[in-house]
Amino acid sequence: GAGVSQTPSNKVTEKGKYVELRCDPISGHTALYWYRQSLGQGPEFLIYFQGTGAADDSGLPNDRFFAVRPEGSVSTLKIQRTERGDSAVYLCASSQPRTGGGELFFGEGSRLTVL
Amino acid sequence: AQSVTQLDSQVPVFEEAPVELRCNYSSSVSVYLFWYVQYPNQGLQLLLKYLSGSTLVKGINGFEAEFNKSQTSFHLRKPSVHISDTAEYFCAVSGNNFNKFYFGSGTKLNVKP
Repeated sequence: GAGVSQTPSNKVTEKGKYVELRCDPISGHTALYWYRQSLGQGPEFLIYFQGTGAADDSGLPNDRFFAVRPEGSVSTLKIQRTERGDSAVYLCASSQPRTGGGELFFGEGSRLTVL
Repeated sequence: AQSVTQLDSQVPVFEEAPVELRCNYSSSVSVYLFWYVQYPNQGLQLLLKYLSGSTLVKGINGFEAEFNKSQTSFHLRKPSVHISDTAEYFCAVSGNNFNKFYFGSGTKLNVKP
């Protein structure tokens, strides 16, 4: 059964390095979301794609964060010049807004640790 | 803007006891409301949702929640919990376009034998 797949599951990097996190959504889901979850917090919205375009990127914290979804399926979250404060679990979710009634399907997350 | 408050960060309860996990939201527009559960080492999954209609919503695993517009609340309840209900529970709110979901900080339910 193909759920939402996120890779890597764990990533340890050094401050200042570049990181890419990948999300493979459920086939046919047009909506894709990235969230960030810090320790003891709920998921925090980063960006929402409808198809290939970023319909709402108001949650990206600064210009070091960027996300793409070039073919309307797989998405990559890119973080430049990583900082220790970027350490968190990055969650991806997909949905089918027209028929899914708002249900989000989440991956297991990518845990990013910036040393 | 919308926000969600889950006042209880942890709720310990004995097996077979009833439980209520509280959720309050703020919004200037109509909202849709959700409860998600996260079991250890798993992704979040939907428990139940309120979109419209009956304010009492039933979900999976015997959970239910009641939408109270005047109190801006969407509390989650279960009359008798099991050890397997031990997990973290998140309340979430969305506008009617599902562009953005706001999550609470979560409540860890710890069911003791």
